[in-house]
Amino acid sequence: DSGVTQTPKHLITATGQRVTLRCSPRSGDLSVYWYQQSLDQGLQFLIQYYNGEERAKGNILERFSAQQFPDLHSELNLSSLELGDSALYFCATGRGLGGEQYFGPGTRLTVT
Amino acid sequence: KNEVEQSPQNLTAQEGEFITINCSYSVGISALHWLQQHPGGGIVSLFMLSSGKKKHGRLIATINIQEKHSSLHITASHPRDSAVYICAVRDYGQNFVFGPGTRLSVLP
Repeated sequence: DSGVTQTPKHLITATGQRVTLRCSPRSGDLSVYWYQQSLDQGLQFLIQYYNGEERAKGNILERFSAQQFPDLHSELNLSSLELGDSALYFCATGRGLGGEQYFGPGTRLTVT
Repeated sequence: KNEVEQSPQNLTAQEGEFITINCSYSVGISALHWLQQHPGGGIVSLFMLSSGKKKHGRLIATINIQEKHSSLHITASHPRDSAVYICAVRDYGQNFVFGPGTRLSVLP
């Protein structure tokens, strides 16, 4: 158990809908990273927040957005969902801007 | 050509064997990570390297920055080491690029 929690574990929703995934970091971790893992594209980096501010952006679609709150938990919002958004979404957290990352158990999103 | 390549794609070993997984990358990097993904899907970060060599238990990771190459070694392999091992690099733009993974099966 890494100490990073993600909710929900599973989510099934329809195309066109909007969902919010939540990540709670380990105590003392200031960085949150979001990743998407799909069968056809493997792991992809979406975005990083550090102490409430966006610090790095990867292959995040415009339909997706994230934020990190003052208590350091983070949310990933996915809107206008498409079938291709079905994937495992992981968050990872860490102490600093770089450095070791501790992964949450992931949220499995199925879009039907 | 993918920016991060791994070899082999698949590897089957007998318990106790010494295992090497290789990672080559084509971009300038600030750090390289080795990740382990268990059959249930959970991911564990094994190492973060920017130079040299690190050791943790039976696992050793090395990186050669000039040759843009890293290796992950497992000594005295065990069936519980069966997993997918993923190499990831962080480029100077702070983006992460992942390799396709190496699926390892260790037979008792």
